[in-house]
Order: sequence, then C-alpha cells, then structure tokens
Amino acid sequence: QTVVTQEPSFSVSPGGTVTLTCGLTSGSVSTTYCPSWYQQTPGQPPRTLIYSTSTRSSGVPDRFSGSILGNKAALTITGAQAEDESDYYCVLYMGRGIWVFGGGTKLTVL
Amino acid sequence: QVQLVESGGGVVQTGRSLRLSCAASGFIFSNYAFHWVRQAPGKGLEWVAFISNDGNNKYYAESVKGRFTISRDNSKNTLFLEMDSLRPEDTAVYYCARRALPSPTQYMDVWGKGTTVTVSS
Repeated sequence: QTVVTQEPSFSVSPGGTVTLTCGLTSGSVSTTYCPSWYQQTPGQPPRTLIYSTSTRSSGVPDRFSGSILGNKAALTITGAQAEDESDYYCVLYMGRGIWVFGGGTKLTVL
Repeated sequence: QVQLVESGGGVVQTGRSLRLSCAASGFIFSNYAFHWVRQAPGKGLEWVAFISNDGNNKYYAESVKGRFTISRDNSKNTLFLEMDSLRPEDTAVYYCARRALPSPTQYMDVWGKGTTVTVSS
C-alpha cells in the first residue's frame, strides 16, 4: 500500500524560508495527484492553504506557495511568521475515489 | 454563510454502532460531494469516506470498508456516517469536508468543526 510521506517536524526562524515536502513511498508525486495542503492548529479544524498543486485558497497570504520539486509536492513559506507555527498536511488524490493524507509536519517558528 | 456542523459523536462500547450527521447551510448542498475525515488523539488526519453529489458513488478507506457507510439526504442538506462494529482505533474527531467545485478539483474547501467519537473497550 502506497504511503504519503511528510517530514515529521521542521523548524524555521522568523522571517526565514522553509519548504515542506509530500512524497510517495512508491513513485513520484505529479500534478495528476492534485496535491493540496492544509494548516491545522491545536483544537481547530484544518484550513485549506493550497490546492491543485500551486493555487492559493482565498485569503491565504502570498508567503505560502505550492509546487512540485523533483518527485514531491512542496509547500514553501517565504518569510515565516510566528502565527505560521502549526501542523501542515498534504493530501493526494490516488484515483478511483481514494484520497490519502500525509502524516503531517509540525512546524516550529523560533 | 457557508457552514458545516457535525453532530452525533459520543462514547460507545466496542462493537456497537453510531451515526454521525453533518448539517450544511449557506450553499446548494446537492451540487457538492463530501468527505468524512478523522483525526485520532494526537495523530494526523485520515481520509475516511467520500460520496458524490447525487449519492451514487461512494468510496471508503480500507480501515473502515465494510463497517462504515456514508450517505446523504439532499432534501435535508445533511450528510451521514453510519459506523458499525466500532473498534477502539476508531476513536477520533470526525470532520465532514466539502469537495470544492468545479469538478474535477480534488480538494476540500470547507470543513466542519468536528464531532468526537470515543470507543471504549
């Protein structure tokens, strides 16, 4: 069974740039998988950040961007702010009506 | 305003059943497909099930296939998740989420606040 992989944790300094990735244990992530990204803070539901690989959801600051880097989907935060400290999840559409979330990345801003 | 409100969570014993509901408002419910997504305590998000806008297509994660049933009532703007043969590992916050339009976009654009299910052994 294919697993969607994410870095368990990442740290970035305020104002810095960080790239979180979303890969597959078997194969490469492409736009065909329609990668999307969600931000979640404790006790809150997820918030949609990026969809269709690189489109920002309404109201999402432009410091968040999505792309394909090599064989993975990527979420880049340019100029990280304290309020970006959250858990970040990617989800891939595997086809045949199946979606799979990555395990999530806990981002620390310090 | 666009809103999804889950209900029906609670504490239930292993092997019993529970039915979750998700009431939608602020948009044309019958135009949209929906997901159920869950999150076990301290864990990540897990996709559970999907239903098309007309209810004719339903898909499930392997972990719940044969035990959970997703359904909808377009006349009542409500999504359901019938959970049978519950196990302790089904303990989680259950979110309903709307699949965005236009098709075939494959992301979730609106989320409810979730309802908590606890399965006790």
